[in-house]
Amino acid sequence: NAGVTQTPKFQVLKTGQSMTLQCAQDMNHNSMYWYRQDPGMGLRLIYYSASEGTTDKGEVPNGYNVSRLNKREFSLRLESAAPSQTSVYFCASRRTSGATDTQYFGPGTRLTVL
Amino acid sequence: RKEVEQDPGPFNVPEGATVAFNCTYSNSASQSFFWYRQDCRKEPKLLMSVYSSGNEDGRFTAQLNRASQYISLLIRDSKLSDSATYLCVVNLLGNKLVFGAGTILRVKS
Repeated sequence: NAGVTQTPKFQVLKTGQSMTLQCAQDMNHNSMYWYRQDPGMGLRLIYYSASEGTTDKGEVPNGYNVSRLNKREFSLRLESAAPSQTSVYFCASRRTSGATDTQYFGPGTRLTVL
Repeated sequence: RKEVEQDPGPFNVPEGATVAFNCTYSNSASQSFFWYRQDCRKEPKLLMSVYSSGNEDGRFTAQLNRASQYISLLIRDSKLSDSATYLCVVNLLGNKLVFGAGTILRVKS
């Protein structure tokens, strides 16, 4: 049981390049999330997916696209990277069952855009 | 005004001390509340949920005050291993959770 996995762990891009961040969870959770974390600003929601086949915008969706490929996988794509997208990106899945409500995070992807 | 606000700290305390953090939220319709812990350069992990009646988990006590729209976290008998950033999280509606920027705690020997 690996929990939430993310690839890659580190990435350096040049302005204008594209890339996809991969996320997978093996806990059979319906909800999955993408956040970015910048110093002093906490985690900000980029996109989320309440279930397979659905996605919704969060607080900061501009410049990103997502795909919920199946129940396990939720990818985040940067079509044309900008320096403002330099950040740490966390994927999470969420378990809600009765009184239980817990988000499980992946280890993060540290992205630098030059 | 931010939806969730926390004092960034850092709170520097000696081992064995009691320390408390507050977090305020702006939307009175917020439904559920949590404290997450984040170690340096690691992912956040759930520390505890915050229930209306208040709840305790070992040395940690969480309280909710809906009238004043704040939640608190009390840590008793601080350990060196408690050093981390503590994130206040509010579930506004359904699937959207809003994170505070975090409060840094440093416990020193």
